[in-house]
Formats: sequence, C-alpha cells, structure tokens
Amino acid sequence: DAGVTQSPTHLIKTRGQQVTLRCSPKSGHDTVSWYQQALGQGPQFIFQYYEEEERQRGNFPDRFSGHQFPNYSSELNVNALLLGDSALYLCASSYWGAEKSTDTQYFGPGTRLTVL
Amino acid sequence: AQSVTQLGSHVSVSEGALVLLRCNYSSSVPPYLFWYVQYPNQGLQLLLKYTSAATLVKGINGFEAEFKKSETSFHLTKPSAHMSDAAEYFCAVTRNSGGYQKVTFGTGTKLQVIP
Repeated sequence: DAGVTQSPTHLIKTRGQQVTLRCSPKSGHDTVSWYQQALGQGPQFIFQYYEEEERQRGNFPDRFSGHQFPNYSSELNVNALLLGDSALYLCASSYWGAEKSTDTQYFGPGTRLTVL
Repeated sequence: AQSVTQLGSHVSVSEGALVLLRCNYSSSVPPYLFWYVQYPNQGLQLLLKYTSAATLVKGINGFEAEFKKSETSFHLTKPSAHMSDAAEYFCAVTRNSGGYQKVTFGTGTKLQVIP
C-alpha cells in the first residue's frame, strides 16, 4: 500500500517565479491538506481540499493556491515567490469518514523549496 | 482557538534513560491529540493519537502518552531511550472546525540521545 507521495523532492527557484508542488494521497484517502514547515518550526496549515474544493484555509496570502483532481491528488501553487517562502512543504492525506474530527493525517516526505 | 505548547525545544537524555517530552494544549472543545516524529529530511510519522477512548495511549516504538484533562497535558514518555529515538517530536491538536478538520502543531522538541 503506497503511502503519501510528493514531487519533486527538492526545488530551487528565484524570487518572483512560480512553483507547483504535487501530492498523491494514501490509497483510500479523499482529503488532502498542505503545510509549510520553515526551518526550526512546526508545520503551519495552508489549506485543505476535499471533493475538489478548498474547504479550509490558514493564514496564507492568495499567492498560495491549490487544486484537487478527481483522483484526489493535489497541487500546491505559489506565485511571486519570496525569500520567505523557502521551506519544507508537506502534504497530508486523510479519509473524511463518519468520525471526521478523529481522522488521522498521514504525511508525505515533503518538498524542500529554496528561493534564491 | 486551539493551540499546543511544547516545553523545551531541545531535550538530551542518556541511552537507556527515561524520555519525557512535554505538551500542553488549549482547546475550547474536547481535543484530539497527536504526537508525530520527524527524522532529518523526512516527513512526519504518527507515533500515537488520543481520541477520548482511553487516557493512556500506547504508540509505536515503545512510546506512550497520557491525557490529563485537569492539567491540559499530553506528555510523551518512553521508559528507555534508544539511539534511534533521536529526532524531532511534534505535538498536535485537532478539532472539528465548522465540519472540517484543522490541525495545529507545536513548535517541536528535538531529542538528543547520548551514548
């Protein structure tokens, strides 16, 4: 059973550029959440997708956007990159079953984004 | 609002000694609590979770945590540290926010195990 996969593993961009990160959820999962983890910090919630819609969003600007596809995979897009966007971007998947608030999120290995 | 506070950004223990990583939570509704471990350059791996079924929760790799409502705590323990336990540990709280799950992480505790 494949777990959560993310691509690419590493990425280097320059300020002002745009980037797309990809995530495939664990088999059987239908919900994808994205997190930003800056060096030395805990993960910060960016947004969550379910049924191809953004259902909840953290305190991130509109430069951060996403998409979920019919096969539940997801993309995170960041426009007009800033130096401060350098971080590990984590994708987590879960199943939106009956016990919603107990759903465990399973994390991928992350994409390390460096903005120069 | 919900939050977690992890006391001690760095903890050092000797191999074979007790591991105690502290986590206090704040939540306006009954929380669901998690501990995750992160090894260098890797994603987060679930150690254990509390979902109100039992206050003492056993996880993988010999770790366990006890939910104490009166102290709003969910400390992580392991009786005997192993070198492979060296990693960063994150406490997290989740709640049903308008029908959608929102997870809030602490700032993490780096565990160093000394031979």
